Amino acid sequence: AQSVAQPEDQVNVAEGNPLTVKCTYSVSGNPYLFWYVQYPNRGLQFLLKYITGDNLVKGSYGFEAEFNKSQTSFHLKKPSALVSDSALYFCAVRDMESSASKIIFGSGTRLSIRP
Amino acid sequence: NAGVTQTPKFRILKIGQSMTLQCTQDMNHNYMYWYRQDPGMGLKLIYYSVGAGITDKGEVPNGYNVSRSTTEDFPLRLELAAPSQTSVYFCASSPGDLGYTFGSGTRLTVV
Repeated sequence: AQSVAQPEDQVNVAEGNPLTVKCTYSVSGNPYLFWYVQYPNRGLQFLLKYITGDNLVKGSYGFEAEFNKSQTSFHLKKPSALVSDSALYFCAVRDMESSASKIIFGSGTRLSIRP
Repeated sequence: NAGVTQTPKFRILKIGQSMTLQCTQDMNHNYMYWYRQDPGMGLKLIYYSVGAGITDKGEVPNGYNVSRSTTEDFPLRLELAAPSQTSVYFCASSPGDLGYTFGSGTRLTVV
Protein backbone atom coordinates (compact mmCIF):
# COMPACT_ATOMS: atom_id res chain seq x y z
CA ALA A 1 0.00 0.00 0.00
CA GLN A 2 1.15 3.50 -0.71
CA SER A 3 1.70 5.75 2.25
CA VAL A 4 3.49 8.75 3.65
CA ALA A 5 4.72 9.07 7.22
CA GLN A 6 5.63 12.06 9.33
CA PRO A 7 7.31 10.56 12.38
CA GLU A 8 7.20 13.71 14.52
CA ASP A 9 3.95 15.17 15.81
CA GLN A 10 5.74 18.34 16.89
CA VAL A 11 9.05 20.02 16.19
CA ASN A 12 10.33 22.86 18.36
CA VAL A 13 13.07 25.18 17.12
CA ALA A 14 14.53 28.46 18.30
CA GLU A 15 14.23 31.42 15.94
CA GLY A 16 17.28 31.76 13.72
CA ASN A 17 18.19 28.07 13.95
CA PRO A 18 17.86 25.65 11.06
CA LEU A 19 14.78 23.45 10.98
CA THR A 20 13.97 20.06 9.54
CA VAL A 21 10.56 18.42 9.30
CA LYS A 22 10.82 14.76 8.41
CA CYS A 23 8.84 12.76 5.86
CA THR A 24 9.20 9.26 4.46
CA TYR A 25 7.12 7.65 1.76
CA SER A 26 6.23 4.32 0.26
CA VAL A 27 4.94 4.25 -3.33
CA SER A 28 5.20 2.13 -6.41
CA GLY A 29 7.34 3.68 -9.11
CA ASN A 30 8.76 7.18 -9.10
CA PRO A 31 7.11 9.40 -6.51
CA TYR A 32 5.49 12.78 -6.90
CA LEU A 33 6.00 14.49 -3.53
CA PHE A 34 4.54 17.64 -2.00
CA TRP A 35 4.71 19.80 1.09
CA TYR A 36 1.79 21.92 2.28
CA VAL A 37 1.50 24.36 5.18
CA GLN A 38 -1.60 25.17 7.21
CA TYR A 39 -1.75 28.30 9.33
CA PRO A 40 -4.37 28.48 12.13
CA ASN A 41 -7.94 28.59 10.84
CA ARG A 42 -6.78 28.58 7.23
CA GLY A 43 -6.74 26.14 4.33
CA LEU A 44 -3.65 24.29 3.19
CA GLN A 45 -1.16 26.21 1.10
CA PHE A 46 1.22 24.64 -1.39
CA LEU A 47 4.91 25.01 -0.46
CA LEU A 48 6.83 22.92 -2.97
CA LYS A 49 6.83 19.74 -5.01
CA TYR A 50 9.21 17.17 -6.42
CA ILE A 51 8.29 15.51 -9.70
CA THR A 52 11.68 14.91 -11.30
CA GLY A 53 15.07 16.59 -11.64
CA ASP A 54 17.28 18.03 -8.91
CA ASN A 55 17.00 16.34 -5.55
CA LEU A 56 16.96 19.70 -3.77
CA VAL A 57 13.71 21.53 -4.41
CA LYS A 58 13.18 25.16 -3.47
CA GLY A 59 9.77 26.49 -2.53
CA SER A 60 7.87 29.33 -0.96
CA TYR A 61 8.89 31.32 2.15
CA GLY A 62 12.53 30.16 1.96
CA PHE A 63 11.71 26.47 2.43
CA GLU A 64 13.41 23.69 0.55
CA ALA A 65 13.14 19.91 0.55
CA GLU A 66 15.61 17.18 -0.21
CA PHE A 67 14.49 14.10 -2.10
CA ASN A 68 16.48 11.00 -1.14
CA LYS A 69 15.49 7.97 -3.17
CA SER A 70 17.62 5.46 -1.30
CA GLN A 71 16.15 6.50 2.05
CA THR A 72 12.65 7.13 0.58
CA SER A 73 12.61 10.48 2.32
CA PHE A 74 11.55 14.03 1.47
CA HIS A 75 12.51 16.18 4.45
CA LEU A 76 11.51 19.83 4.60
CA LYS A 77 14.24 22.28 5.60
CA LYS A 78 14.90 25.93 6.21
CA PRO A 79 18.30 27.42 7.09
CA SER A 80 16.99 30.01 9.55
CA ALA A 81 13.59 29.66 11.23
CA LEU A 82 11.19 32.55 11.78
CA VAL A 83 8.47 32.77 14.42
CA SER A 84 6.03 33.23 11.54
CA ASP A 85 6.94 29.72 10.29
CA SER A 86 4.97 28.26 13.20
CA ALA A 87 2.21 26.21 11.59
CA LEU A 88 1.08 22.69 10.72
CA TYR A 89 3.03 21.05 7.90
CA PHE A 90 1.82 18.19 5.74
CA CYS A 91 3.89 15.95 3.53
CA ALA A 92 2.00 14.30 0.69
CA VAL A 93 2.54 11.85 -2.14
CA ARG A 94 0.66 11.28 -5.37
CA ASP A 95 -1.31 8.07 -5.29
CA MET A 96 0.30 6.35 -8.26
CA GLU A 97 -2.37 3.63 -8.25
CA SER A 98 -5.09 6.22 -8.89
CA SER A 99 -6.02 7.72 -12.23
CA ALA A 100 -7.64 10.65 -10.45
CA SER A 101 -4.43 12.42 -9.36
CA LYS A 102 -5.31 11.77 -5.73
CA ILE A 103 -2.82 12.79 -3.09
CA ILE A 104 -2.16 10.89 0.12
CA PHE A 105 -1.43 13.17 3.05
CA GLY A 106 0.68 12.50 6.10
CA SER A 107 -0.69 13.10 9.58
CA GLY A 108 1.00 16.48 9.88
CA THR A 109 3.81 17.94 11.98
CA ARG A 110 3.25 20.97 14.14
CA LEU A 111 6.23 23.31 13.90
CA SER A 112 6.71 25.71 16.79
CA ILE A 113 9.35 28.43 16.56
CA ARG A 114 10.22 30.14 19.84
CA PRO A 115 11.56 33.70 19.86
CA ASN B 1 -8.07 34.89 -9.52
CA ALA B 2 -10.42 33.67 -6.80
CA GLY B 3 -9.05 30.11 -6.91
CA VAL B 4 -11.22 27.75 -4.86
CA THR B 5 -14.12 29.34 -3.02
CA GLN B 6 -16.01 27.58 -0.24
CA THR B 7 -19.22 28.73 1.42
CA PRO B 8 -20.26 29.01 4.14
CA LYS B 9 -17.19 29.50 6.35
CA PHE B 10 -19.00 28.45 9.52
CA ARG B 11 -22.20 26.57 10.23
CA ILE B 12 -23.96 25.02 13.19
CA LEU B 13 -26.43 22.25 12.41
CA LYS B 14 -28.81 20.35 14.64
CA ILE B 15 -28.76 16.56 14.56
CA GLY B 16 -30.85 15.31 11.66
CA GLN B 17 -30.68 18.50 9.62
CA SER B 18 -29.26 18.60 6.12
CA MET B 19 -27.09 21.11 4.34
CA THR B 20 -24.96 21.65 1.25
CA LEU B 21 -21.39 22.88 1.36
CA GLN B 22 -20.61 24.84 -1.75
CA CYS B 23 -17.32 24.70 -3.65
CA THR B 24 -16.47 26.62 -6.81
CA GLN B 25 -13.19 26.91 -8.72
CA ASP B 26 -12.35 29.28 -11.56
CA MET B 27 -9.16 27.61 -12.78
CA ASN B 28 -10.83 25.15 -15.18
CA HIS B 29 -9.40 22.21 -13.23
CA ASN B 30 -10.82 18.81 -14.09
CA TYR B 31 -10.12 17.21 -10.72
CA MET B 32 -11.91 18.23 -7.55
CA TYR B 33 -11.88 16.73 -4.04
CA TRP B 34 -13.58 16.99 -0.68
CA TYR B 35 -11.64 16.33 2.51
CA ARG B 36 -12.48 16.51 6.17
CA GLN B 37 -10.02 17.40 8.89
CA ASP B 38 -10.83 16.43 12.44
CA PRO B 39 -9.11 18.26 15.34
CA GLY B 40 -5.42 17.37 15.54
CA MET B 41 -5.76 14.96 12.65
CA GLY B 42 -4.76 14.80 9.03
CA LEU B 43 -7.01 14.92 5.99
CA LYS B 44 -9.43 12.20 4.98
CA LEU B 45 -10.84 12.04 1.45
CA ILE B 46 -14.64 12.00 1.30
CA TYR B 47 -15.41 12.18 -2.43
CA TYR B 48 -13.64 13.19 -5.59
CA SER B 49 -14.42 13.97 -9.20
CA VAL B 50 -12.34 13.67 -12.37
CA GLY B 51 -14.64 15.81 -14.47
CA ALA B 52 -18.18 17.01 -14.94
CA GLY B 53 -20.63 14.18 -14.45
CA ILE B 54 -18.09 11.82 -12.85
CA THR B 55 -17.75 11.32 -9.10
CA ASP B 56 -16.38 8.58 -6.88
CA LYS B 57 -16.07 7.69 -3.21
CA GLY B 58 -12.99 8.32 -1.11
CA GLU B 59 -12.06 6.89 2.29
CA VAL B 60 -15.01 8.20 4.33
CA PRO B 61 -18.07 8.72 2.08
CA ASN B 62 -20.82 7.55 4.44
CA GLY B 63 -23.33 10.27 5.26
CA TYR B 64 -22.33 12.45 2.32
CA ASN B 65 -23.25 12.89 -1.32
CA VAL B 66 -21.78 14.94 -4.15
CA SER B 67 -22.61 16.02 -7.66
CA ARG B 68 -20.56 17.58 -10.45
CA SER B 69 -22.83 19.10 -13.05
CA THR B 70 -20.24 21.64 -14.22
CA THR B 71 -16.46 21.86 -14.23
CA GLU B 72 -16.59 24.77 -11.77
CA ASP B 73 -18.89 23.46 -9.03
CA PHE B 74 -18.56 20.49 -6.69
CA PRO B 75 -21.11 20.73 -3.83
CA LEU B 76 -21.03 18.35 -0.87
CA ARG B 77 -24.39 17.35 0.61
CA LEU B 78 -24.81 16.22 4.21
CA GLU B 79 -28.02 14.31 4.85
CA LEU B 80 -29.24 13.70 8.42
CA ALA B 81 -26.33 15.41 10.16
CA ALA B 82 -24.70 13.55 13.04
CA PRO B 83 -22.25 14.75 15.74
CA SER B 84 -19.57 12.59 14.09
CA GLN B 85 -19.71 14.95 11.12
CA THR B 86 -18.44 17.85 13.20
CA SER B 87 -15.25 18.75 11.37
CA VAL B 88 -13.56 21.22 9.08
CA TYR B 89 -14.27 20.53 5.43
CA PHE B 90 -11.87 21.43 2.66
CA CYS B 91 -12.50 21.46 -1.05
CA ALA B 92 -9.55 21.26 -3.44
CA SER B 93 -9.00 21.25 -7.17
CA SER B 94 -6.16 20.14 -9.41
CA PRO B 95 -5.23 20.28 -13.09
CA GLY B 96 -3.47 16.91 -12.80
CA ASP B 97 -0.22 15.91 -11.14
CA LEU B 98 0.90 19.36 -10.09
CA GLY B 99 -0.72 19.36 -6.67
CA TYR B 100 -3.88 20.81 -5.23
CA THR B 101 -5.29 24.28 -4.65
CA PHE B 102 -7.36 24.32 -1.48
CA GLY B 103 -10.29 26.42 -0.41
CA SER B 104 -10.27 28.14 2.97
CA GLY B 105 -12.55 25.57 4.56
CA THR B 106 -15.98 25.27 6.19
CA ARG B 107 -16.09 24.72 9.93
CA LEU B 108 -19.17 22.62 10.72
CA THR B 109 -20.52 21.84 14.17
CA VAL B 110 -23.39 19.38 14.65
CA VAL B 111 -25.20 19.71 17.99
